[in-house]
Amino acid sequence: EAGVAQSPRYKIIEKRQSVAFWCNPISGHATLYWYQQILGQGPKLLIQFQNNGVVDDSQLPKDRFSAERLKGVDSTLKIQPAKLEDSAVYLCASRVGRGGRRGSTDTQYFGPGTRLTVL
Amino acid sequence: AQKITQTQPGMFVQEKEAVTLDCTYDTSDQSYGLFWYKQPSSGEMIFLIYQGSYDEQNATEGRYSLNFQKARKSANLVISASQLGDSAMYFCAMRGHAGNNRKLIWGLGTSLAVNP
Repeated sequence: EAGVAQSPRYKIIEKRQSVAFWCNPISGHATLYWYQQILGQGPKLLIQFQNNGVVDDSQLPKDRFSAERLKGVDSTLKIQPAKLEDSAVYLCASRVGRGGRRGSTDTQYFGPGTRLTVL
Repeated sequence: AQKITQTQPGMFVQEKEAVTLDCTYDTSDQSYGLFWYKQPSSGEMIFLIYQGSYDEQNATEGRYSLNFQKARKSANLVISASQLGDSAMYFCAMRGHAGNNRKLIWGLGTSLAVNP
């Protein structure tokens, strides 16, 4: 079974530029997450999708960040314009779906991440 | 509010020895899940092991086992027979099963170095 795919793996941009990240979850996984992980910290949830609907975007800086999952499969996260403090690893994860309290239905599986450097 | 605490910023272990990484948690939920993830320097977050709050047996996955003590609210990860490839950051996380506690809550991580 293929894992979560993300691209690009690395991106270097200058502040005020725009950038977009792509994620393709594990086949059949209804729930998709985008996280931001700053060096030395645990991941911070930016947005959660259930199929193509947003479940939680309370920590997404909506003045500059946007995300979509139009067909309920792959997703794009965009930053426009980027700031220095956006330098981080952006992780995408997927989970089978809502409900299910045990084992694999509760577990989030992560992609390799995108390391963003803003100069 | 839910919280995960990992009190060991860094740990060292000799190759082939066992090591325990500590994790304590706080939650008001009766039902929840506990997770351990490994993050090598490459950045990928790798799922290691899961423990449900109602599971009576401690979870095991190969060389990984979870020492779950519900009354103490601890979920320590035990890695047996350490290998050089085990050098990485290890994160403990928790997800409640009720209301607003369904978000995955993370600890700050423990950096493990395996010495040859």
